Order: sequence, then structure tokens, then C-alpha cells
Amino acid sequence: GAVVSQHPSWVICKSGTSVKIECRSLDFQATTMFWYRQFPKQSLMLMATSNEGSKATYEQGVEKDKFLINHASLTLSTLTVTSAHPEDSSFYICSAPGPNLDTEAFFGQGTRLTVV
Amino acid sequence: SQQGEEDPQALSIQEGENATMNCSYKTSINNLQWYRQNSGRGLVHLILIRSNEREKHSGRLRVTLDTSKKSSSLLITASRAADTASYFCATDQTGGYNKLIFGAGTRLAVHP
Repeated sequence: GAVVSQHPSWVICKSGTSVKIECRSLDFQATTMFWYRQFPKQSLMLMATSNEGSKATYEQGVEKDKFLINHASLTLSTLTVTSAHPEDSSFYICSAPGPNLDTEAFFGQGTRLTVV
Repeated sequence: SQQGEEDPQALSIQEGENATMNCSYKTSINNLQWYRQNSGRGLVHLILIRSNEREKHSGRLRVTLDTSKKSSSLLITASRAADTASYFCATDQTGGYNKLIFGAGTRLAVHP
């Protein structure tokens, strides 16, 4: 089946630094990918829709200048958390749509970000 | 709120018992998907039910969908300790394409 690979699986960074998370579709092309964030003991919240070749669409309340999304190719979307702070510590996970409306989404493995 | 609702928030049962989780959502949908997550790790897809389906089975899982009430349920029969996890419903809203809105989730604990 289709695979979405997300890296890194975990990262620890210092406050004020930036962190890039990659999401790759390994055996299919994804013109759209989605980024979610999950705080401990909470559900997944959609952050943004990544669109190949155009600007990302952000959900209400998500700072686009803080969470930079780039989707420069049909197989790669990146999320950069800029000037990270401890409150950005969270589980970030990406997904790509299945081939049709009757197919489930394909999720990456997720990235646990800890900002110290 | 972006999220749908799920109940119960937490469920504790003994092995062999059945576990039922309920999910409600707000808008019209293409389909509804159930996922499992072990302790903050990645998501495992369990089952997808289309908007024109009312019930679906997969192994020990049974999912129902009532679009008139905008609700779904997940039943796990003969639960096992290994079923201990968080379970989330996610709706693929009409007009979207796997742009999923997740419910709040149910934390299931199955005790040996």
C-alpha cells in the first residue's frame, strides 16, 4: 500500500531555533498533504493544507509565519517550526489523501518535537 | 470548534468484554474513518465507512453510521489487553478530500 514517510521521528531543540520536519510520499504523488498537531492527551488538530506549487492554506488560529510549509515537489512537503518555544512542543503528523474518496488517508509516523 | 465529539472520554473494561465508543460530528461527510493510536505514537487506520453505508465489519470491529443523527459508533468485541489505546473518529467532510477533522478521542484501557 501507499506509504508516507515522515522524518525525523523525534527531535529536541533549543528555544529560538528552527526545526524542519519532512513528509514524503514514497510510491505515489501527492499534490496535497495535511499537517496536524497533537498535544499530550488531546486529539489531532488540523494545522494546514500543503499544496504543491502554491501557498499552504492555514486553519484559523495557526500562525503561518511560525509554521512555514513548503511543498516544492509532488512527493515532499516540509513543515518548519520557526523560532521554536517550549509551548510548540507537540506531536506533529502529516498525511496524504488516498487515491479516491473511498480510501483512507495515509499518515506519516509522526514527529515528537521537544523544545527546551 | 474544529473537533467532533466522542464519548466516553475514557473507558476501562476487563478482557473479554465489549467496548463501545461513540462519535458525533457537525457537517455532511464523504466518509468517516476510525483510527487507533498507542500512547502518543502514530495512527493506525482501522476502518472507513462511506456516507451511504450504515454498518461495516472488520474482524472484531463493528462500525455504524447514522448520517441523520451525524453520529457513528465503534464496537470492539471480545476485547484484549492489546486493544488498550486511544481511538479517534475522523470525518472527511463533503467538498474535502481526506482533509480530516478528528473527534476528541476515547482512551480505552483493557485489563487482563
